[in-house]
Formats: sequence, structure tokens, C-alpha cells
Amino acid sequence: DTGVSQDPRHKITKRGQNVTFRCDPISEHNRLYWYRQTLGQGPEFLTYFQNEAQLEKSRLLSDRFSAERPKGSFSTLEIQRTEQGDSAMYLCASSLTGTQGSEQFFGPGTRLTVL
Amino acid sequence: AQKVTQAQTEISVVEKEDVTLDCVYETRDTTYYLFWYKQPPSGELVFLIRRNSFDEQNEISGRYSWNFQKSTSSFNFTITASQVVDSAVYFCALSGIKAAGNKLTFGGGTRVLVKP
Repeated sequence: DTGVSQDPRHKITKRGQNVTFRCDPISEHNRLYWYRQTLGQGPEFLTYFQNEAQLEKSRLLSDRFSAERPKGSFSTLEIQRTEQGDSAMYLCASSLTGTQGSEQFFGPGTRLTVL
Repeated sequence: AQKVTQAQTEISVVEKEDVTLDCVYETRDTTYYLFWYKQPPSGELVFLIRRNSFDEQNEISGRYSWNFQKSTSSFNFTITASQVVDSAVYFCALSGIKAAGNKLTFGGGTRVLVKP
């Protein structure tokens, strides 16, 4: 297994455009998380899935953000009508359920720059 | 609410010196988990260690050791005999048992620069 992968690694877009990111978790992990990290800060939780169900969304996740995880495998995070404030690193992580406090394994992230 | 504070923003050392990173946390959960992650310049967060709240035994793993003190809500991390490859940003994180999906709350990170 090659770990968590994310695509693309970098995305530059103009304000107002829509962008979509993909995350492929570790294959046997049924929990998948999205975090956002701005420059010089720690990651902040956005949302998470258990299998295909999205169970919690942070208040950071405005209506312009939507995440899906069809069939409980890969996940997509879409940002509509991007704003300059959306510029950040978007990190995906996965973990196993059933084990309290199990560590989350992170992907390399997608760095978004909104011009 | 959960909160993690890393007061040190940057630490610079010379190779082979020891480095201790401070972490203070706040949570109302009686059971929780604490983590340290490393973020090298490549950007990918790498899991280092985990400690649960009901086990205050401090441990050593290779060049890494940690000091968990529940009484002071601190979870400090030490790199012994630092190497240039240890240069990275280190994050302390907390997951309360009541936190949905065991989501992580991260501190602001401490940048460690190890000079040759």
C-alpha cells in the first residue's frame, strides 16, 4: 500500500472559478478526513467521513464547499466560486475505526492558490 | 472545546544538541489522545507518537522521547542528538474521546532548524 494520495498537488485558479480535489485513502481505512492549513498555522479540521457517510462538518466549511465520498472509497472536495481567502493547503487523512485514538495518516496535500 | 498551544514558534540548534518541544493542551474530556506529527519541507504530515490520557508512563523510542504530565496538561517532546534531517515543523495534536470521529485539534507548530 502506498499511503494516502492526493491530486492535484498544486492548483492555481482565478477568483470565482470552481476547483475539485481528490483524495485516495489507505485502502483498508474507513475513516477519511479533510483539513485545511494556512501558512504558518496548524491544520484545521473541515469534515470527515465514515465509509460513505459524512458525519461532521466544521463551521469553517462554508456553503461553497462540498465533499463527497461515493462508495466509501476516494473522496472529493469541491470549492465553488473560489475566493482569495481559500488559498491554503488542503490535507486529507485516513484512519481505521474501532480503535480509539488511532492515528491518522496524511496525504501530501493539495496547495491551492487563488489569484 | 479543545485547544492546543505550542508557545515556541521556532527553535534553532546545532547538530547533536537535544531539542525539547513544549505542548500544553485543554480539554474537558476525561479520556483523550495526544499526538506529535512532523511536517518536513515536502509538506506531508508524518505521525511520530501517540499517548492516551490514562497512561502517563513516559517512553523513549530511538532518539525520540516524551514527557506527559496530566497534572499540568503538558505533553512535551524531545529529540536527542538532533540531526539536520530533523529540521521540520512539529505539531502537537489532541483528540478527545467525545470529538466526532476522533478529529484532531492541532497546535500552531514549532519550527525546528538543525544546523550542521
